[in-house]
Amino acid sequence: QKEVEQNSGPLSVPEGAIASLNCTYSDRGSQSFFWYRQYSGKSPELIMFIYSNGDKEDGRFTAQLNKASQYVSLLIRDSQPSDSATYLCAVIEGYKLSFGAGTTVTVRA
Amino acid sequence: GAVVSQHPSWVICKSGTSVKIECRSLDFQATTMFWYRQFPKQSLMLMATSNEGSKATYEQGVEKDKFLINHASLTLSTLTVTSAHPEDSSFYICSAGARDTLSEQYFGPGTRLTVT
Repeated sequence: QKEVEQNSGPLSVPEGAIASLNCTYSDRGSQSFFWYRQYSGKSPELIMFIYSNGDKEDGRFTAQLNKASQYVSLLIRDSQPSDSATYLCAVIEGYKLSFGAGTTVTVRA
Repeated sequence: GAVVSQHPSWVICKSGTSVKIECRSLDFQATTMFWYRQFPKQSLMLMATSNEGSKATYEQGVEKDKFLINHASLTLSTLTVTSAHPEDSSFYICSAGARDTLSEQYFGPGTRLTVT
């Protein structure tokens, strides 16, 4: 069983809408969760990390963590064409990051 | 802060030759560096973890004699792909973690390797 699961998409949203990305993980003991954005041909860049249950907001991004249900989500509000990218969910296990396959988001102008 | 560089950004080599990729942490000391490989349309797969001054720890299925990793200083790790073959063509990305922020990894820009 893959450790981190994401819907591969693509997820297409109109400009200004909310993009909702989901991620589930298998290790109930996982403590730290990360969302990365990766543009085509580039390396990932960290958007947010979350450790505690609940919501964490940073600008137009909100990460939500529910450890009981073992899922973490990312909301992108007021989506812009520049948000078109692949979003990777990652879970840390010890000192290693385990990545999901990524969800490709396309924001339509 | 937390800048990681990689060199070269892209390289083309002939089958059977070796290629060295450098990963440097520019403004912090990286006690641990990670090497990932990413094939098209796939996610990052961890290849190995290297700690300064010690042997690298390779993930299952990664040939340590083919992918040589050296982490000689707190700011430099190298990955050498030996006897490269076309199936080694991929996007190689390093990341670095500092001792007090090991849970946060800073990624280099990646190296695109094409083996002809």
